[in-house]
Amino acid sequence: DAGVIQSPRHEVTEMGQEVTLRCKPISGHDYLFWYRQTMMRGLELLIYFNNNVPIDDSGMPEDRFSAKMPNASFSTLKIQPSEPRDSAVYFCASTRAGPGNEQFFGPGTRLTVL
Amino acid sequence: SQKIEQNSEALNIQEGKTATLTCNYTNYSPAYLQWYRQDPGRGPVFLLLIRENEKEKRKERLKVTFDTTLKQSLFHITASQPADSATYLCAPPCGSARQLTFGSGTQLTVLP
Repeated sequence: DAGVIQSPRHEVTEMGQEVTLRCKPISGHDYLFWYRQTMMRGLELLIYFNNNVPIDDSGMPEDRFSAKMPNASFSTLKIQPSEPRDSAVYFCASTRAGPGNEQFFGPGTRLTVL
Repeated sequence: SQKIEQNSEALNIQEGKTATLTCNYTNYSPAYLQWYRQDPGRGPVFLLLIRENEKEKRKERLKVTFDTTLKQSLFHITASQPADSATYLCAPPCGSARQLTFGSGTQLTVLP
């Protein structure tokens, strides 16, 4: 298995532009998570899906952020419009159903908003 | 509110020694706790899970303890090697059993 795949690996954009991050979870995994990591705040959960349905989006910082999972093998995290404070590494992770199952993380997307 | 604290931001030890990392939690009682390793530029990788009814868990040179009275988990790496240098994150569940709350991490450096 290729593991969790994220694209792009690096994104540099200007303030006000729309940014779309993509994730392909591991086949057969029921849960997908989007995290953001910064030096100041560490690794924060933004939103997670179960069987393609958003379950908890309380970590999404504001309305500029949105996430979708149109099918079991693809999810997007969109920021519109982007701001410099959105600069961070964004990780996608997936896991199987069952409490305590380990999460498998992708390599992350490093986003820089100028 | 639930709070996770890892003992220090950075820990330097000599090769061959045992590294001990601490994770303290407050205001709740997690049913389990996971530990992850993160290397620079990469996503976290799962290492071990310990449940509340387990005092200790081992995997090769790794050992994790879980003290529900002290609300603390200790993560030990015995016979440490420079390749063990990384950031280690503890992660108890938060809310539903599917969600994890990650500590800020401890950056371990093993000096040759």
